[in-house]
Amino acid sequence: GGIITQTPKFLIGQEGQKLTLKCQQNFNHDTMYWYRQDSGKGLRLIYYSITENDLQKGDLSEGYDASREKKSSFSLTVTSAQKNEMAVFLCASSMRGEAEQFFGPGTRLTVL
Amino acid sequence: GEQVEQRPPHLSVREGDSAFITCTYTDPNSYYFFWYKQEPGASLQLLMKVFSSTEINEGQGFTVLLNKKDKRLSLNLTAAHPGDSAAYFCAVPRGGGRALIFGTGTTVSVSP
Repeated sequence: GGIITQTPKFLIGQEGQKLTLKCQQNFNHDTMYWYRQDSGKGLRLIYYSITENDLQKGDLSEGYDASREKKSSFSLTVTSAQKNEMAVFLCASSMRGEAEQFFGPGTRLTVL
Repeated sequence: GEQVEQRPPHLSVREGDSAFITCTYTDPNSYYFFWYKQEPGASLQLLMKVFSSTEINEGQGFTVLLNKKDKRLSLNLTAAHPGDSAAYFCAVPRGGGRALIFGTGTTVSVSP
């Protein structure tokens, strides 16, 4: 089996601040994803990456940057934190050609 | 693009009762689907992957029904127990199959 690690678990920032969330997986999966989970709104896709150095925008990419530094890691940057984007950010990964996704524990973002 | 609607948003049942959750989707070409379970404070865990070739799928303590004609996917928690208290999400592949579209979730509360 494998595991997905997200750091930090809790992230507190000031409005307007640039913040970075990190995700690591040891499944050796090709595809990685970032989702935002707002209460009562399900999961919305921010970015995904099919392979190292690849980036694909999701439905909610505005205000975010992402970076797939290597196969096992995928970072998400909130370019200018806003109070209305306080949420849990979930990282996931899947094998090439497989839609089944495995999820990390999440990073809870609070913006003061 | 594909859209997914999930109902109800909240469900309270007594131990031993059934809990029924439904998702409707729009893409008639979707050929597999997922149900995920998210316990309080935890990340998403895969409950079941369902292929369009099978209309009834039995799991441990639950049944998943697929009605392709109506484009409806249902999760029935049979004889619910307090350990079933969680949020449940359906997920459908996007066109191209690389990412998933999630329903808005159903929070199930099972009281003793």
